[in-house]
Amino acid sequence: SQQGEEDPQALSIQEGENATMNCSYKTSINNLQWYRQNSGRGLVHLILIRSNEREKHSGRLRVTLDTSKKSSSLLITASRAADTASYFCATVGGSNYKLTFGKGTLLTVNP
Amino acid sequence: DTEVTQTPKHLVMGMTNKKSLKCEQHMGHRAMYWYKQKAKKPPELMFVYSYEKLSINESVPSRFSPECPNSSLLNLHLHALQPEDSALYLCASSQVGQGPLAREQYFGPGTRLTVT
Repeated sequence: SQQGEEDPQALSIQEGENATMNCSYKTSINNLQWYRQNSGRGLVHLILIRSNEREKHSGRLRVTLDTSKKSSSLLITASRAADTASYFCATVGGSNYKLTFGKGTLLTVNP
Repeated sequence: DTEVTQTPKHLVMGMTNKKSLKCEQHMGHRAMYWYKQKAKKPPELMFVYSYEKLSINESVPSRFSPECPNSSLLNLHLHALQPEDSALYLCASSQVGQGPLAREQYFGPGTRLTVT
């Protein structure tokens, strides 16, 4: 069963606006990762945040992690039409390699 | 080179056919993965190879048979598939690291499989 649940399922914004996506999970994790997938293509890794980290930045991306609430958020600032994609959070727990993906948020950035 | 390549890009096969999907990476990663993704759904893990040995099989039907002939190549052999097996099959690779040491995965573009 999926570990992560993204919210919202779909988000439509105008170019230049910020986009925030949330992810909740159920069990303890080692790290949480965010991936982007353009329509029907492979996934691209965006950022990895470890369970002992609270916030991480990469370019226009900001990820937060609250392990007490079992939740994470991805903020994309100054969005562009090229940011249109599905965004998935994925968790790694236990002692293995397994990435468990959430259901994803479909982000549409209108020019 | 940070690319994972997959061939073919598209595959149409009948239920009695045998075909193979191929995946290649030259990043020196020793962990490789197969995922299955249905439309509008997240990827689901099928198999994990670590140091060319099968590490995880997520109870995948035997009509899917993975193979890792060397550290750069990963194959998925398909036989007697069902129409419900139609999906995007994604290959990924990563540095080896379990649990707290788990690393990010690099994905190929996928093979779009249609079973008729």
